Amino acid sequence: AQSVTQLDSQVPVFEEAPVELRCNYSSSVSVYLFWYVQYPNQGLQLLLKYLSGSTLVKGINGFEAEFNKSQTSFHLRKPSVHISDTAEYFCAVSEDTGTASKLTFGTGTRLQVTL
Amino acid sequence: SAVISQKPSRDICQRGTSLTIQCQVDSQVTMMFWYRQQPGQSLTLIATANQGSEATYESGFVIDKFPISRPNLTFSTLTVSNMSPEDSSIYLCSVGQRNTGELFFGEGSRLTVL
Repeated sequence: AQSVTQLDSQVPVFEEAPVELRCNYSSSVSVYLFWYVQYPNQGLQLLLKYLSGSTLVKGINGFEAEFNKSQTSFHLRKPSVHISDTAEYFCAVSEDTGTASKLTFGTGTRLQVTL
Repeated sequence: SAVISQKPSRDICQRGTSLTIQCQVDSQVTMMFWYRQQPGQSLTLIATANQGSEATYESGFVIDKFPISRPNLTFSTLTVSNMSPEDSSIYLCSVGQRNTGELFFGEGSRLTVL
């Protein structure tokens, strides 16, 4: 069975500073990896995804993430955050079984950007 | 991607009553998923709804408590039955890519049970 660990429940950061949100996963098979963002009182929006190919994936709003198979990680980064990036971020994984896949979510990281 | 609309967006309900949440998708999809997000928590899959068959429920969720309908390829409903304060959550409808598991979400229905 797959699982996702987001070690940081909250990450405070000043505006224009860089940020990294950590995500580790466990799975016995190949995986697909996702980061979703949830702004206050809204549903989830896909930030970026890794399906195959280049391990560095770029998403919306200047975010990027790097898939590291040896460390089973998929950390999310942004070189300079903005106040509007304040939101909850969820890492998620599904297993590459070739058929219908179930998405498993981490517990989320609250990014709080301040001036 | 898909555009997903949920109704109601929020509601306040009394203990012991039931509420049905509707989910409408702008395209035909085979699989629709219902998730629950309890306050301050991550998302937990309740069930998978395929058109023309019974929904498949995850461990800890049962049909009597969360009956689901899937009458066609663009619509589904989730009913939260005999509600208690513990059912206060955001309920999210989603549709996905069958092979990768990537999901698209509605904005959710925020339910408060008094």
